[in-house]
Amino acid sequence: AQSVAQPEDQVNVAEGNPLTVKCTYSVSGNPYLFWYVQYPNRGLQFLLKYITGDNLVKGSYGFEAEFNKSQTSFHLKKPSALVSDSALYFCAVRREYSSASKIIFGSGTRLSIRP
Amino acid sequence: AAGVIQSPRHLIKEKRETATLKCYPIPRHDTVYWYQQGPGQDPQFLISFYEKMQSDKGSIPDRFSAQQFSDYHSELNMSSLELGDSALYFCASSLDSGDRRNTIYFGEGSWLTVV
Repeated sequence: AQSVAQPEDQVNVAEGNPLTVKCTYSVSGNPYLFWYVQYPNRGLQFLLKYITGDNLVKGSYGFEAEFNKSQTSFHLKKPSALVSDSALYFCAVRREYSSASKIIFGSGTRLSIRP
Repeated sequence: AAGVIQSPRHLIKEKRETATLKCYPIPRHDTVYWYQQGPGQDPQFLISFYEKMQSDKGSIPDRFSAQQFSDYHSELNMSSLELGDSALYFCASSLDSGDRRNTIYFGEGSWLTVV
């Protein structure tokens, strides 16, 4: 069975500072890892994904994530936070090589950027 | 670019009534997923379809049913509605033929309120 853990319910960062949102995963085989962002009363927007290759993945809005196989982690990062980054962030995992395999979400981390 | 279209966006039903949600996947996508997100919760997988056949089933109540039609759109039918069914229902789609590493894209969701 696959699972995702986001240990922090909330992360507070000052604007302009770097941010990190943590995620660890558990899956048999190689995982497909994703980050989605959800703004209030909106859908889930795709940010980035790791499939294979470079451990550092770059995505939308200046976000990036680092895949660490030994630590089974996929932390989301941004060098300089913006107030507009304030939202709910979900880490998700999808099992490799399984057609129509569902995506499993973590519990979400609320990111709050203060001016 | 075309996105996943869901209708209706908002729906209010009384207990024991029936509701139908519709989903139009991104053109050429062959896989559809349904998720339920309760207040303050992470999205929970309900059911998925690949090439019009049910692919996987999650925590979908027996009162709910879904199908994918020949034009790849999908409908989620919910009967004997309960107050606890009030949630944001997401549809998502992906292209899984050939390359199974494609991203799952989500719609804006359909808000169901049961009163």
